[in-house]
Amino acid sequence: GESVGLHLPTLSVQEGDNSIINCAYSNSASDYFIWYKQESGKGPQFIIDIRSNMDKRQGQRVTVLLNKTVKHLSLQIAATQPGDSAVYFCAEKTPSGYSTLTFGKGTMLLVSP
Amino acid sequence: ETGVTQSPTHLIKTRGQQVTLRCSSQSGHNTVSWYQQALGQGPQFIFQYYREEENGRGNFPPRFSGLQFPNYSSELNVNALELDDSALYLCASSLGGMGNEQYFGPGTRLTVT
Repeated sequence: GESVGLHLPTLSVQEGDNSIINCAYSNSASDYFIWYKQESGKGPQFIIDIRSNMDKRQGQRVTVLLNKTVKHLSLQIAATQPGDSAVYFCAEKTPSGYSTLTFGKGTMLLVSP
Repeated sequence: ETGVTQSPTHLIKTRGQQVTLRCSSQSGHNTVSWYQQALGQGPQFIFQYYREEENGRGNFPPRFSGLQFPNYSSELNVNALELDDSALYLCASSLGGMGNEQYFGPGTRLTVT
């Protein structure tokens, strides 16, 4: 079936490096994507979103890139900090009559000082 | 502005029992979605309530049921608990039934023994 998935389960980086977390999606009709950060013991926290009519969106230290041709999404974190250590999920908004989110399995980002 | 709150934080139940989890939506939000997150997995959509009516449902059996109240708070009820129901149950609120940004609560950790 249609699904959202991630390429790497764990990403280890050094403090100050740039991090890139990837996500593949298979539903070509999806029109909205969100990246969430989930720290241990907490619910997912919104980071940044992008709509299918865009291919890039920037926030504070984060950039999301969307490549609809290959159905690929990435989250770039600049100057990664230890506080960025968490599990990152991409989520896809289902193109149906109601709103819900389909999440991938997540990538754990580990930032070493 | 009050964020999404959930209660209880943790809960231990025995197989076959019933459980009720509660969620208070963020101020001004009229839509509540419930997700189940198994250990090491991304959240899975259970159902959504919009203006006190079920507005969509994921692939969960009928023993998972819910309610939304006039103040937009919500309950998730699970009957005949099974061991596989052990998970983090997340509530997310949003404004409007068509997928505006969802804000997650901290979750309720349910353990079924």
